[in-house]
Amino acid sequence: QVQLQESGPGLVKPSQTLSLTCTVSGGSISRGDYYWSWIRQPPGKGLEWIGYIYYSGSTYYNPSLKSRVTISVDTSKNQFSLKLSSVTAADTAVYYCASRGRTGSSGYYFDYWGQGTLVTVSS
Amino acid sequence: QSVLTQPPSASGTPGQRVTISCSGSSSNIGSKTVNWYQQHPGTAPKLLIYSNSQRPSGVPDRFSGSKSGTSASLAISGLQSEDEADYYCEAWDDSLNGVVFGGGTKLTVL
Repeated sequence: QVQLQESGPGLVKPSQTLSLTCTVSGGSISRGDYYWSWIRQPPGKGLEWIGYIYYSGSTYYNPSLKSRVTISVDTSKNQFSLKLSSVTAADTAVYYCASRGRTGSSGYYFDYWGQGTLVTVSS
Repeated sequence: QSVLTQPPSASGTPGQRVTISCSGSSSNIGSKTVNWYQQHPGTAPKLLIYSNSQRPSGVPDRFSGSKSGTSASLAISGLQSEDEADYYCEAWDDSLNGVVFGGGTKLTVL
């Protein structure tokens, strides 16, 4: 059973860079056909996909966040990371890491999720 | 405003059957598979339905999904109190070249 765990600061100042890491256990981050993802949820609001990375380093970002987002992977540590630059109060949210895989020839879906971590942007 | 449109709320009494709709377009639901997630307060979303109508292991068969054209639906039969949660649909969008979610539907069991 794959498990994911987010870690990082819970408070970030406006204009600074938000940095989070997701540690994957119970499976290799280098497994094929899996994309390692970041998703966020502002308090009381819905889910927003931020982006994901393949173990080879290929990345896919939400066009609305693309200019500020960097997702990277460290296969030696079985971790992947998120950096979001120039944050404002609007970036305050619970940030989830999740795996996106599929079964056979099915479409992709988010099958395993971390518990989420609240990041507040405030001075 | 979400790319996929869901009703903000739905309700039903125990034992009833309720459906939650998810409306999209030809660039997402019309050409891609739809997934559904259940989220209880303070917890991470949980995969409920994938590939339009497939249930992951452990999800009760009370939950079912369907898709027709540019719309999808989640049906919950034999409603139980523990089904009270938020439900989200999700799909890939070819125009945006990214994953899109519905705005979520809050299900209340009366």
